[in-house]
Amino acid sequence: GAGVSQSPRYKVAKRGQDVALRCDPISGHVSLFWYQQALGQGPEFLTYFQNEAQLDKSGLPSDRFFAERPEGSVSTLKIQRTQQEDSAVYLCASSLGGTGLNEQFFGPGTRLTVL
Amino acid sequence: AQSVTQPDIHITVSEGASLELRCNYSYGATPYLFWYVQSPGQGLQLLLKYFSGDTLVQGIKGFEAEFKRSQSSFNLRKPSVHWSDAAEYFCAVGAGTNAGKSTFGDGTTLTVKP
Repeated sequence: GAGVSQSPRYKVAKRGQDVALRCDPISGHVSLFWYQQALGQGPEFLTYFQNEAQLDKSGLPSDRFFAERPEGSVSTLKIQRTQQEDSAVYLCASSLGGTGLNEQFFGPGTRLTVL
Repeated sequence: AQSVTQPDIHITVSEGASLELRCNYSYGATPYLFWYVQSPGQGLQLLLKYFSGDTLVQGIKGFEAEFKRSQSSFNLRKPSVHWSDAAEYFCAVGAGTNAGKSTFGDGTTLTVKP
């Protein structure tokens, strides 16, 4: 595709529901990142994949958050038992190289609202 | 731990005027520095980056930024602002080979007056 795509663009969940957010990176990009952006703040790192390997998940706020990229392309961020504090925009980014020095291309984000 | 401060939450400039957005970082070694722009409904777009070498870097859309180690700053500048530059701007710092794990500032919202 032409860029990074994310779906859904908007998600409303009731507290306690599980949600799954999808990211389609640019074809051939090795690295994939997930960020969480709360209202009025900058993005905060959640996790990083190089191909199918999750190399860093230090930013995941709790064990309710889980990310996978089983075939090294599409990635899913899953949030179990959503809480109101999970409301944010979730951004996905991909980059061509594996060192992190390459430019990251960001998707438009998924806005999650937990009621 | 690395951190980024963007002191100005909101800046308003007139179209055609010059612009400077401030960014201060905290990091123990040589930082990798980035400026991104985010328009409503759009993803973050990289404007420019600094890894090493010339401390004045040129980016897209006529933007430039200067790395000043002594001041721990990486301010973004544009000599003449266009109405289409209205957006939110984020400064970010990355660390070494794990530069992908970037730390972002809280952003500066730019409004352009006609």
